[in-house]
Formats: sequence, C-alpha cells, structure tokens
Amino acid sequence: GENVEQHPSTLSVQEGDSAVIKCTYSDSASNYFPWYKQELGKRPQLIIDIRSNVGEKKDQRIAVTLNKTAKHFSLHITETQPEDSAVYFCAAASGTYKYIFGTGTRLKVLA
Amino acid sequence: NAGVTQTPKFRILKIGQSMTLQCAQDMNHNYMYWYRQDPGMGLKLIYYSVGAGITDKGEVPNGYNVSRSTTEDFPLRLELAAPSQTSVYFCASSVKGGSNQPQHFGDGTRLSIL
Repeated sequence: GENVEQHPSTLSVQEGDSAVIKCTYSDSASNYFPWYKQELGKRPQLIIDIRSNVGEKKDQRIAVTLNKTAKHFSLHITETQPEDSAVYFCAAASGTYKYIFGTGTRLKVLA
Repeated sequence: NAGVTQTPKFRILKIGQSMTLQCAQDMNHNYMYWYRQDPGMGLKLIYYSVGAGITDKGEVPNGYNVSRSTTEDFPLRLELAAPSQTSVYFCASSVKGGSNQPQHFGDGTRLSIL
C-alpha cells in the first residue's frame, strides 16, 4: 500500500544551525505534501505545504523542496530557535482528501 | 470560528465499556477525519467522511464506528473498549476543493483503557 518514510526520527541541532528532515513517498499519484509541527501535548499544526507543480516553497525560515522524479521532499529550517523544538510530520496526499503521514521527527534545538 | 472542537479532552474507560468521542467543526468543511496517535508514533487514519451521510474506512478501522448525519458533526464510537485502543484521538477537517486542501486538527482526546 501507500507509504511515507521519514528520516531522521530524532535530530538535535545547535541554536542558529539549520535542520533538514526528509520524506520519501511511494504513490506516484501523490500531488500534495503538507508539513505539520506538533508541540508536546498539542494538536498538529500546518506550517508549510507544497503542490506537485512546484519544486520549492519558502516561508521566512522554513522551506520545502520537492523532487517528483525521486519521490522525495524535504523540510528545511534555517537559523533554528528553541521554540522550533517539536515533532514534525510530513504527509503525502493523492486524490483530493486523504493523507498518508510519516512517522515523525523529534527536533531538539539546543541553546 | 472555533475551528475543530473535540470532547472530552481526557477519559478513562474500563475494558469492555463503550463511549463516543465527539467532534464538531464550524468551518463548513465537507471532509472530516479521525486519527489515532499512539505514544511516540505518527497519525493513523481510522475513518473519514467526504460529506454528510458518507463514511469510509481508513487504515485502522477495527473496533470503531462512525456516523455523519450533519456537515458539522463526526462522532467516533468505541464499542467494547480494549487496552490496545489506549491512544490520543485527533479529529480533523478540510474544505472540499479541486485539489488537496490543508487538514485542520482539533486538540485531541486522550483515552486510556484500563
């Protein structure tokens, strides 16, 4: 069945450094790729998304890149801050409504 | 708008009991979803609905039932609760569109089966 692999499962970076999280999807029909941030005990919140007709999207310190040929997409966070510490989930969607989520990456930003 | 509202926030059940987790959204979204999130894990889709009167199974539907009698409400029913159903349950909704739209999540219901 459809699958999304996410790496790494945990990531520690020094404050001010960059963080990169990578996801690979199996369904070539996937056309929408959202990223969610989940703080401890809270709901997942959308931070950025990208559609399959775009290769890169940026929003301040956050960017997402998509390689449709290789079927992978990545989240890039620059100038990390302690408040970036959270679990990040990628997802891939085909059709118009169903997501397959990755297993999550726990990001720790060390002050 | 309140967004997606889930009740209760916490609940402890005994094995074999039943309960209904409530989910309501006030954004006039057609699509609604139920996920479970086990400790340290990702989100797994239990059931989803593309509109009132229409529901379908996700990845892990066993032990659960849903109904969608109105656009706003999408309750999740647990019959004969089992310890394996201890989890955090999230409801989400998204607007119907020509392409995928972001899903908006509620605050979750933390459920323990003892």
